[in-house]
Amino acid sequence: GAGVSQSPSNKVTEKGKDVELRCDPISGHTALYWYRQSLGQGLEFLIYFQGNSAPDKSGLPSDRFSAERTGGSVSTLTIQRTQQEDSAVYLCASSLEAGGWETQYFGPGTRLLVL
Amino acid sequence: AQSVSQHNHHVILSEAASLELGCNYSYGGTVNLFWYVQYPGQHLQLLLKYFSGDPLVKGIKGFEAEFIKSKFSFNLRKPSVQWSDTAEYFCAVTPSGAGSYQLTFGKGTKLSVIP
Repeated sequence: GAGVSQSPSNKVTEKGKDVELRCDPISGHTALYWYRQSLGQGLEFLIYFQGNSAPDKSGLPSDRFSAERTGGSVSTLTIQRTQQEDSAVYLCASSLEAGGWETQYFGPGTRLLVL
Repeated sequence: AQSVSQHNHHVILSEAASLELGCNYSYGGTVNLFWYVQYPGQHLQLLLKYFSGDPLVKGIKGFEAEFIKSKFSFNLRKPSVQWSDTAEYFCAVTPSGAGSYQLTFGKGTKLSVIP
């Protein structure tokens, strides 16, 4: 089937504006992850969803960041009052089940530029 | 918390040369280990992974990696590289066991293969 898809592929916004990034995981995958890839920090974990359980938000860098996953499928990452340091590629991944041994399949990412 | 070090930032090789990319991790318990690759313009994809058993793991496209527990290492190797192997390579780790799922990545090694 189709892989993980993300939209938009690119987003340019002005400092202070809110942005929403969308992720469609692979059908049937119960676990969904958001990561951020930036020049200075490499790849960082942001948040994790597993089924109907409460998400693990331990990687979110500030309270301007939030995410939800509706119906156990599509997820939206929202960044409020964007700052220039939020500029990065935001990657979504999904896996069949939760667990450290599971392969996470990554989407193409959303490249965010905050001016 | 776990961490991953990739010592080579950029490696330049001629076609047919042998490749070894270093990866060391820091964690007090047992781990699952991964190598991901990102080809130019493409998304992250799994090359190979280790979670138990034979410490020599074979992956796609002729890559292999060896887990040496005593050295906390998981180096990636390929006997003869091709121009198409030009990409960025990321080593990643998760602690073993249920409830451990977030990938911790190294900063990546960029490989350039010269025809």
